[in-house]
Amino acid sequence: GAVVSQHPSWVICKSGTSVKIECRSLDFQATTMFWYRQFPKQSLMLMATSNEGSKATYEQGVEKDKFLINHASLTLSTLTVTSAHPEDSSFYICSASKSTGYSYNEQFFGPGTRLTVL
Amino acid sequence: GIQVEQSPPDLILQEGANSTLRCNFSDSVNNLQWFHQNPWGQLINLFYIPSGTKQNGRLSATTVATERYSLLYISSSQTTDSGVYFCAVERSAGAQKLVFGQGTRLTINP
Repeated sequence: GAVVSQHPSWVICKSGTSVKIECRSLDFQATTMFWYRQFPKQSLMLMATSNEGSKATYEQGVEKDKFLINHASLTLSTLTVTSAHPEDSSFYICSASKSTGYSYNEQFFGPGTRLTVL
Repeated sequence: GIQVEQSPPDLILQEGANSTLRCNFSDSVNNLQWFHQNPWGQLINLFYIPSGTKQNGRLSATTVATERYSLLYISSSQTTDSGVYFCAVERSAGAQKLVFGQGTRLTINP
């Protein structure tokens, strides 16, 4: 199997606070994980690539100081939204890359975290 | 960057009907995946199909890499098939990054 979990599944916080979201690959090791955000009725947009043991790579327009990513082990990556504001409210989804054994990798997605900033 | 276009954007069908969803992409790809996003937001892997044809029950997919398109077939639709279907591709030199299409919203009415 290839199961990815996220915690929490939803969170409501006050403006100015920080929120941490965890992403875990439960039955495989993932050297690479990805963080996406999805606004209502829109597609997924990649925010950053998280590599175990090294700094994350952020997509253009994504503030690295606002969205802190840590990938401390082969099964866990965390995304911290710092000083959250209402415009950060969104659905955050992580994925983990699993080798198919043919030099290619298939991504498996977590169930997502719905963040609402008041 | 690579462009991914899905069609149609919306599709409404009666239970039991068949459907074909299309994904066009603008460059050669290492990876192409089809996903179903259920009403709770979970993305469910349907196919990993950078080329060729695969079948899984009522679903099948075909990717013609040389012509840069992929098709997802759903036969004998059920109401539980409703949701958004996404195609995502990884460009050949894309460092595992998936680029998603805008999705096809499928509604199956009883």
